[in-house]
Amino acid sequence: DAGVTQSPTHLIKTRGQQVTLRCSPKSGHDTVSWYQQALGQGPQFIFQYYEEEERQRGNFPDRFSGHQFPNYSSELNVNALLLGDSALYLCASTMDSVYGYTFGSGTRLTVV
Amino acid sequence: KQEVTQIPAALSVPEGENLVLNCSFTDSAIYNLQWFRQDPGKGLTSLLLIQSSQREQTSGRLNASLDKSSGRSTLYIAASQPGDSATYLCAVRQGSGTYKYIFGTGTRLKVLA
Repeated sequence: DAGVTQSPTHLIKTRGQQVTLRCSPKSGHDTVSWYQQALGQGPQFIFQYYEEEERQRGNFPDRFSGHQFPNYSSELNVNALLLGDSALYLCASTMDSVYGYTFGSGTRLTVV
Repeated sequence: KQEVTQIPAALSVPEGENLVLNCSFTDSAIYNLQWFRQDPGKGLTSLLLIQSSQREQTSGRLNASLDKSSGRSTLYIAASQPGDSATYLCAVRQGSGTYKYIFGTGTRLKVLA
């Protein structure tokens, strides 16, 4: 049973560009959350998608947007990239958050 | 505003030692608390989930306790092994009206052979 799958694993972008990260949730999970983890820090909540709608959003600017598809997979889009957006981006899924979340291996984004 | 603190930030112990990692949170009105392990440059692996109504959870050599009233959780690792070397993160979820986890900055553990 595949867990949470994220792609790509690594990405290098130039300041000002746009990026799309992808996540396939664990089989049976219908809820997807995205987190940003800067080096040496704990993950910070970006937003959560459920039933193709953004259900909750963290303290991130509108440059960060997302989408959830009918098959529950999700995308995270970041526009006008800044150097400070360099981080590990983690996707987490759950079927009912009372059971906690399963995390993927992340996408390492480097903005140069 | 919920804040999660993990002490110590780093820990180095000889193989075979029993050890305790600490997590404290400022708002006791939590829904649940989850402990994770993170290897360098990797994603998070869930270790234990404790619901707000529970006092502890066990999995193999790991035991996590929760004391909501004092805003504390501990992760106990028995008979540590070099393979336990990783960063351990705790995360709390507030009441049922919110879905995000708030993470501590982690404890970086190194178990020496």
